Amino acid sequence: GDSVTQMEGPVTLSEEAFLTINCTYTATGYPSLFWYVQYPGEGLQLLLKATKADDKGSNKGFEATYRKETTSFHLEKGSVQVSDSAVYFCALSRYGNKLVFGAGTILRVKS
Amino acid sequence: EAGVAQSPRYKIIEKRQSVAFWCNPISGHATLYWYQQILGQGPKLLIQFQNNGVVDDSQLPKDRFSAERLKGVDSTLKIQPAKLEDSAVYLCASSLRPGTSVGPLGNEQFFGPGTRLTVL
Repeated sequence: GDSVTQMEGPVTLSEEAFLTINCTYTATGYPSLFWYVQYPGEGLQLLLKATKADDKGSNKGFEATYRKETTSFHLEKGSVQVSDSAVYFCALSRYGNKLVFGAGTILRVKS
Repeated sequence: EAGVAQSPRYKIIEKRQSVAFWCNPISGHATLYWYQQILGQGPKLLIQFQNNGVVDDSQLPKDRFSAERLKGVDSTLKIQPAKLEDSAVYLCASSLRPGTSVGPLGNEQFFGPGTRLTVL
């Protein structure tokens, strides 16, 4: 079945550091790919998405590119802030139906 | 626009007791999802409704879990009897309908704040 694998955390960075959170997937066909974020005490929010190969999703300074050849969708940000501290989930969906999530990666940014 | 509402936010019960969770989706959203998020794991779909019909309940433990969406609007998820391993956050999400591309982020699923269940 479909699955998503994320790098284990927690990831601890200093403010203004470069962020990469790795995500790879296993799925038949051409799923849509997502990054969701969960800030402390809040619900899951969609951060960005990509629906086909080579698409780049971007939002709030975060970017991820849909790489079909490596089945990856790594999340990047050039300069993290303390306010980016949260749990990040990579997910996929086929035909706009259920989301299949990775285990999540905790990001801690220190000032 | 009001978001997805869930209640209660927290619930503590003894094993073998029953519990029910309620979800009110965003107005006009035809599709409703219930996910279970165990600590340290990503959310896992339990059941998906399209209006008041079930689209996918393949991961729902039907011997103890049940869900309904009688009028195609709000939904109730019930566990009876609860086990220790049911301790988790239960998330409700809604979307306009599957496969509909709307806006720059497409057919986004909007999540409620969740209900944290502790089974002792």
